[in-house]
Amino acid sequence: GENVEQHPSTLSVQEGDSAVIKCTYSDSASNYFPWYKQELGKGPQLIIDIRSNVGEKKDQRIAVTLNKTAKHFSLHITETQPEDSAVYFCAASLNTNAGKSTFGDGTTLTVKP
Amino acid sequence: GAGVSQSPSNKVTEKGKDVELRCDPISGHTALYWYRQSLGQGLEFLIYFQGNSAPDKSGLPSDRFSAERTGGSVSTLTIQRTQQEDSAVYLCASSLDWGLPETQYFGPGTRLLVL
Repeated sequence: GENVEQHPSTLSVQEGDSAVIKCTYSDSASNYFPWYKQELGKGPQLIIDIRSNVGEKKDQRIAVTLNKTAKHFSLHITETQPEDSAVYFCAASLNTNAGKSTFGDGTTLTVKP
Repeated sequence: GAGVSQSPSNKVTEKGKDVELRCDPISGHTALYWYRQSLGQGLEFLIYFQGNSAPDKSGLPSDRFSAERTGGSVSTLTIQRTQQEDSAVYLCASSLDWGLPETQYFGPGTRLLVL
């Protein structure tokens, strides 16, 4: 089955700096890669996703890049703000069964004012 | 409703007791998903429904776990003879259709503690 590894487990940055979280996956058939933000006491929230037919997707301050050959994908947050502090999860799945995603273990991002 | 709701928000039970967790999806969402999140871990897929059918139950940890969905809306996840290792946050999500994961929204979860 699919295995997703996420690094780092914790990340601390100064407000205004960039943050990068990286994930690798094992199943070359995976073609849907969502990223979630989870705030304390709440369920995860989908913030951006990418499908395997594109290499990069951007939405304001967040972007995701995908390297299918190397089987890794990354989340980039620019101009970080304190409200970006949360746990971020990556996931990978087959598009035909995207609800059955395999999740990484999460990255706790802290943005210091 | 405005979002996915789950009840109860917290549940403490004794080992060996049965528990029922409820999920109310967003109105009009045909797909519904259950996940389990242990402390400090990512989400573990349990089961999903398309309408009232559950095409994939492969994530259910044991035969003590079961789920149903009626009327294409509310779903209940039942854990029989609870064990301490069942302690976790149980998250429900719904989406317009199983093929539209970008429309998926999560509920706040039920925090289950088995003593």
